[in-house]
Amino acid sequence: NAGVTQTPKFRILKIGQSMTLQCTQDMNHNYMYWYRQDPGMGLKLIYYSVGAGITDKGEVPNGYNVSRSTTEDFPLRLELAAPSQTSVYFCASRSSTDTQYFGPGTRLTVL
Amino acid sequence: QKEVEQNSGPLSVPEGAIASLNCTYSDRVSQSFFWYRQYSGKSPELIMSIYSNGDKEDGRFTAQLNKASQYVSLLIRDSQPSDSATYLCAVPSQSDYKLSFGAGTTVTVRA
Repeated sequence: NAGVTQTPKFRILKIGQSMTLQCTQDMNHNYMYWYRQDPGMGLKLIYYSVGAGITDKGEVPNGYNVSRSTTEDFPLRLELAAPSQTSVYFCASRSSTDTQYFGPGTRLTVL
Repeated sequence: QKEVEQNSGPLSVPEGAIASLNCTYSDRVSQSFFWYRQYSGKSPELIMSIYSNGDKEDGRFTAQLNKASQYVSLLIRDSQPSDSATYLCAVPSQSDYKLSFGAGTTVTVRA
């Protein structure tokens, strides 16, 4: 199993540009999550999904959108990028024992 | 009150010593508890889970749980420089599908 994979690993965006962060898991987990982590800070939940077609907001959803058309994929869309969205983004999926498995992260810089 | 609180760091210990990390949680009905380790620039990885009161040992790591006191701790025995990382305490929410993370405690093991 590859686990949770994320692409790209790094990205630099200009203010106002848009992009999609990709996340795929091959563990057949229903629950998936997107977090952001600013330097020296903890994890903040952006959005989560409890299954295909079902998504909900976390604590910091503004400026982001998600979709969940399949169990495997949970992309995160950034519209009109702002410098405040400079962060490291982690995708995670959760097993039936509540364990969360994290992807390697995407380091995003908005200039 | 935050859902999950960890003792503030950073924590610096000499090589070979015991590092003690503490975590308290607010939801009295929580049933499972996790410790994640995050190396600088990397994603969190699960190192311990504990579900019952008492101690659980895994190699040099021991997790201790006291549900009456709503307290979970992690001991790292014979600390090694490779243990230098940020340790995150995590507790699943009983009301939704989220995992609440503490802010983390950064441990530095001095050679």
